[in-house]
Amino acid sequence: EVQLVESGGGLVQPGRSLRLSCAASGFTFDDYAMHWVRQAPGKGLEWVSGISWNSGSIGYADSVKGRFTISRDNAKNSLYLQMNSLRAEDTALYYCAKDPNSSGWSLHLDYWGQGTLVTVSS
Amino acid sequence: QLVLTQSPSASASLGASVKLTCTLSSGHSSYAIAWHQQQPEKGPRYLMKLNSDGSHSKGDGIPDRFSGSSSGAERYLTISSLQSEDEADYYCQTWGTGIRWVFGGGTKLTVL
Repeated sequence: EVQLVESGGGLVQPGRSLRLSCAASGFTFDDYAMHWVRQAPGKGLEWVSGISWNSGSIGYADSVKGRFTISRDNAKNSLYLQMNSLRAEDTALYYCAKDPNSSGWSLHLDYWGQGTLVTVSS
Repeated sequence: QLVLTQSPSASASLGASVKLTCTLSSGHSSYAIAWHQQQPEKGPRYLMKLNSDGSHSKGDGIPDRFSGSSSGAERYLTISSLQSEDEADYYCQTWGTGIRWVFGGGTKLTVL
């Protein structure tokens, strides 16, 4: 059974940093691209960032480019999101999601975690 | 620019059927999309990938009550024999230009 468990969320002041983690199990982690998707309170889903299986290809939404860094450690079956210069508008539930393509990117995301809440406030 | 448009809300009675719509922006009518369901207080769940010709492939464990179809720039999700647990937000999603993914605004489905 595929499981994605996010952690690392919390309350942080504007301008500070936070690092999110996603622990993956139930599949061969280093075969698949992974993504972060967020959802602001009461709002819809917004794709944040994606990373290919070997970290060779990475993409970011314009809203986070230059502030957030995605990474992965295949030996630890873990995905990360380093969030710097946080703003109030980054407040959201952050989900880790799996890409079903084992050789690149796919149109869709086939498994999701339960999310970790990030609140940016003074 | 690729945009996915969904109606904010929909409703249907228990046991009935409902058809949700996702509309692709001009110039993108050949795109495939995916449908995701988000029940209250839960993470999203992948339902299916839906191609422009209406063919679709469902995620693990998705009941036969969920089906997809396409017409032009519109992509549909039909849920038949509505159950109370189908009350949820439904999002369409596709692959944008370069390395980026796009979501529709979501449709909140109420089961009466």
